Amino acid sequence: AQKVTQAQTEISVVEKEDVTLDCVYETRDTTYYLFWYKQPPSGELVFLIRRNSFDEQNEISGRYSWNFQKSTSSFNFTITASQVVDSAVYFCALSEGSWGKLQFGAGTQVVVTP
Amino acid sequence: DAGITQSPRYKITETGRQVTLMCHQTWSHSYMFWYRQDLGHGLRLIYYSAAADITDKGEVPDGYVVSRSKTENFPLTLESATRSQTSVYFCASRGDRGPWGEQYFGPGTRLTVT
Repeated sequence: AQKVTQAQTEISVVEKEDVTLDCVYETRDTTYYLFWYKQPPSGELVFLIRRNSFDEQNEISGRYSWNFQKSTSSFNFTITASQVVDSAVYFCALSEGSWGKLQFGAGTQVVVTP
Repeated sequence: DAGITQSPRYKITETGRQVTLMCHQTWSHSYMFWYRQDLGHGLRLIYYSAAADITDKGEVPDGYVVSRSKTENFPLTLESATRSQTSVYFCASRGDRGPWGEQYFGPGTRLTVT
């Protein structure tokens, strides 16, 4: 069963618009971790942000911000004032247990046009 | 080279052949992972390892074999390649900070089975 759902397959925006990526997860664990990774057209996977299940404080880091809500099992990610370089596939991932295995969502393709 | 490397980067093989994908990391990370990336599925875990000689199956292990005789190497072998194993394969490693630690990914190996 899919434990991480990214319902948005593709989002297209014009530069400087904000982009919000949705992520819904499923877990029975009380301790877990959530991640966002970026995969630009070059193909590598780049770690962006991380959140643990005990900290629902939302944060902003540069143009990135995230909204973690345990009540709705959501971990949404926002890019403010998008740029062409933000064009990539973004993956949400869930880590449960002590091994830190990641379970990824299917990814959301973000296309930013000038 | 420092970091995590994979070889070969591209491989074309025929159905039924044995193929080994190599993964090498220079950080002495204990944890290493193999994922495959297919359109619509995100990344799925094949095998993982917590240390030399400690490995376990992930979500999609059938048709694959791993070994870890040295901490820095984690080869993935397709014993008898099938077309369904055409995919992009990513190796990743994680340090000992705990399951909240981010995974660092190699550049990927694009495998085509004809």
